[in-house]
Amino acid sequence: EIVLTQSPGTLSLSPGERATLSCRASQSVTNNYLAWYQQKPGQAPRLLIHGASLRATDIPDRFSGSGSGTDFTLTISRLEPEDFAVYYCQQSPPFTFGQGTRLEI
Amino acid sequence: EVQLLESGGGLVQPGGSLRLSCAASGFNFVSYGMSWVRLAPGKGLERVSHIGASGGPTYYADSVQGRFTASRDNSKSMMYLLMNNLRAEDTAIYYCAKRLGDHYIDHWGQGILVTVSS
Repeated sequence: EIVLTQSPGTLSLSPGERATLSCRASQSVTNNYLAWYQQKPGQAPRLLIHGASLRATDIPDRFSGSGSGTDFTLTISRLEPEDFAVYYCQQSPPFTFGQGTRLEI
Repeated sequence: EVQLLESGGGLVQPGGSLRLSCAASGFNFVSYGMSWVRLAPGKGLERVSHIGASGGPTYYADSVQGRFTASRDNSKSMMYLLMNNLRAEDTAIYYCAKRLGDHYIDHWGQGILVTVSS
């Protein structure tokens, strides 16, 4: 089973700054089937990116995904106050999540 | 608008059982695989189970294999998760989720809390 390791565990930034979140797989992700989700406290997760770099419906273009093989990145170009949340990467098959990165002010 | 509404959670003693239900609307339920994903306190997301559009195939995480059973009733746009022999480590918020193709989740319910404690 592929293990996803996200770094850093916690990222402290300010609104307007750029955020770079990393997701590293223990082996190559099949066909770059890699997604990113955002989860805020008390809310359900939201799909941001799939296929490593494709933005999901209604996701602002300040969110971008990149990478292939074993190394993937989620970039938030200019942080808005509503972007502070926990972010998870996920790969398939089989369906596994990383442990999450907490993005805090 | 896609809506997924979970029900059936609550407090149960170790060794007990619960059945979660998910009522789906706003999309052609019979055409999509569905999943249950949980978020335990202080932990990350874990996919618990998957069920194909027609009721199979099914998949279970190792941590619940043999104890949990997923099913669906396409005539009612409902999905279920029967959880037997519950353990303290099953305590979590359980999310009903709609699959995007075979590899992603594009819609989630609001979640239902399951607490396993004596």
